[in-house]
Amino acid sequence: KAGVTQTPRYLIKTRGQQVTLSCSPISGHRSVSWYQQTPGQGLQFLFEYFSETQRNKGNFPGRFSGRQFSNSRSEMNVSTLELGDSALYLCASSLRVGLGTDTQYFGPGTRLTVL
Amino acid sequence: DAKTTQPPSMDCAEGRAANLPCNHSTISGNEYVYWYRQIHSQGPQYIIHGLKNNETNEMASLIITEDRKSSTLILPHATLRDTAVYYCIVRVGSGNTPLVFGKGTRLSVIA
Repeated sequence: KAGVTQTPRYLIKTRGQQVTLSCSPISGHRSVSWYQQTPGQGLQFLFEYFSETQRNKGNFPGRFSGRQFSNSRSEMNVSTLELGDSALYLCASSLRVGLGTDTQYFGPGTRLTVL
Repeated sequence: DAKTTQPPSMDCAEGRAANLPCNHSTISGNEYVYWYRQIHSQGPQYIIHGLKNNETNEMASLIITEDRKSSTLILPHATLRDTAVYYCIVRVGSGNTPLVFGKGTRLSVIA
């Protein structure tokens, strides 16, 4: 079974621009979570989408947004990019069946550099 | 904040067992212990998880103390490809709560 895929893998933008990252979950997985990883803050949770609805949100400004489509694919958008948004953006998918614990599986990430 | 404490780094000789400790003294009864690893800025890789019984899969074994306040991840025969940052995470076992990552343990496997 194919794993989580993320596109693009690398991206370079300039301050003030916006960017859209894409995530395709493992087949059959219905939940997609997004994380940001920086050297200073480590791995931090951004938000989770399930059934096309945001279910949970981390402590990030409104410039960070996302959505999920009916096929469970997800996109995240960052508007008005700042230098501090340079990071590895990770997507994780899970079954979200609502029974017991739900393991998240990560994609390879998108490396965003803001100049 | 992460609810776990791990040593910042460890070394292990290739072919030997790597034993990675984790303290989670405030763990609640409905919280699981998860382990992930991250190899050089790739996406974190799920290894194993458990509630209170010891668990084993093809990658590793997880030993949880009886009081559940600490655990040990065991890689039985470490190889150079096991060099990575290992994260121990405590997480509520219902729904899809976010993973809260600490700084993890940087394991270096030495030839």
